[in-house]
Amino acid sequence: DQQVKQNSPSLSVQEGRISILNCDYTNSMFDYFLWYKKYPAEGPTFLISISSIKDKNEDGRFTVFLNKSAKHLSLHIVPSQPGDSAVYFCAASAVNDYKLSFGAGTTVTVRA
Amino acid sequence: KAGVTQTPRYLIKTRGQQVTLSCSPISGHRSVSWYQQTPGQGLQFLFEYFSETQRNKGNFPGRFSGRQFSNSRSEMNVSTLELGDSALYLCASSSSGGAHTGELFFGEGSRLTVL
Repeated sequence: DQQVKQNSPSLSVQEGRISILNCDYTNSMFDYFLWYKKYPAEGPTFLISISSIKDKNEDGRFTVFLNKSAKHLSLHIVPSQPGDSAVYFCAASAVNDYKLSFGAGTTVTVRA
Repeated sequence: KAGVTQTPRYLIKTRGQQVTLSCSPISGHRSVSWYQQTPGQGLQFLFEYFSETQRNKGNFPGRFSGRQFSNSRSEMNVSTLELGDSALYLCASSSSGGAHTGELFFGEGSRLTVL
């Protein structure tokens, strides 16, 4: 049962424009959300996170928005750069769960 | 500071065999988690260990097992391999194991192919 869903397997965006990645979850016990970035032949690396007590968290070009009522979060990358081309995973966790539930990932391609 | 080290990086096995994968966490990290990545499925949680104790286990058959040693190094074992076990197995370490207290640091993974 996939509790975290990324319904867009791929996204193509022009360099300098905004990339918006979406993620939905079903488990109301999730209270911490993270985004990971993965390049081929490398392990995922942490990008940005947000606690359920917030609705927005910003780190440089990356902003994550959380809409708890809709059980939806999104990652905005502005402006998109060629180095942002990677697979992005949305993940969620519940208190004392000691695990992350991941979405299937969205492959982002930034066109020059 | 050295990252998470996984060995071997690549391996090929045949159905029915068993395999052992190894993971050395970042120095000082006591929690080690294992995830399976297959195309279109994202990362599926296998198990998490902290100070040699398994704190959580994912929905995988009993053929998948793991352990953690006193130096925090971890191994996972898959017995009676099936074709569907072909995947990238990722190990991650953190200082305490919860996403609430620190993000996970992943290794590069062990790519298992079952023929």
